[in-house]
Amino acid sequence: QVHLVQSGAEVKKPGSSVKVSCKASGGTFSRYAVSWVRQAPGQGLEWVGGIIPIFATANYAQKFQGRVTIIADESTTTAYMELSSLRSEDTAVYYCARVGSSWFFDYWGQGTLVTVSS
Amino acid sequence: QSALTQPASVSGSPGQSITISCTGTSSDVGGYNYVSWYQQHPGKAPKLMVYEVTNRPSGVSNRFSGSKSGNTASLTISGLQAEDEADYYCSSYTSSSNVVFGGGTKLTVL
Repeated sequence: QVHLVQSGAEVKKPGSSVKVSCKASGGTFSRYAVSWVRQAPGQGLEWVGGIIPIFATANYAQKFQGRVTIIADESTTTAYMELSSLRSEDTAVYYCARVGSSWFFDYWGQGTLVTVSS
Repeated sequence: QSALTQPASVSGSPGQSITISCTGTSSDVGGYNYVSWYQQHPGKAPKLMVYEVTNRPSGVSNRFSGSKSGNTASLTISGLQAEDEADYYCSSYTSSSNVVFGGGTKLTVL
């Protein structure tokens, strides 16, 4: 059984950066892509971007291009998402999810609340 | 990339069937059989219910079924039960090698 465990809640100032981790266990980490999906309070799901660990190549939603970096460390089976130049609209729960072969998300982390506030 | 279009809410009585639609374009829903559906209860992570338009993961009830016609995908839930009350989201792979979600549909079991 695959488990994704994310780092804890963060409170950040506008203009700063946040880095969220997602540790995978119970599966073959490098074979599957990992994506990040966020959900603002009371809002829907929004795809941020993803990475295929074995290739170390990431792609990002156009909305976040230039502000987000997603990396994966195969040695620790951990993926990271760093979002910079934070603004209040980035306040959301950020989820990591394993990506199946045809772009479905079959396992999800528990979510990490990032609050951006002065 | 615009979000896929879903109805904001649907409702049904226990035992009834409901269908949630998800409309996109030929660059996403209509172009690929990579549509999936997720159930989300309040305060919980989403759960995969249907993938590749019609497939159910192991452990998901056969009361949940998916279909697609043109640029519109649909999720049908038959034999509604109280525990089906949740938010439902569709998603699709896109021609930009991205993923786009629907705006979400709140299902109320009356």
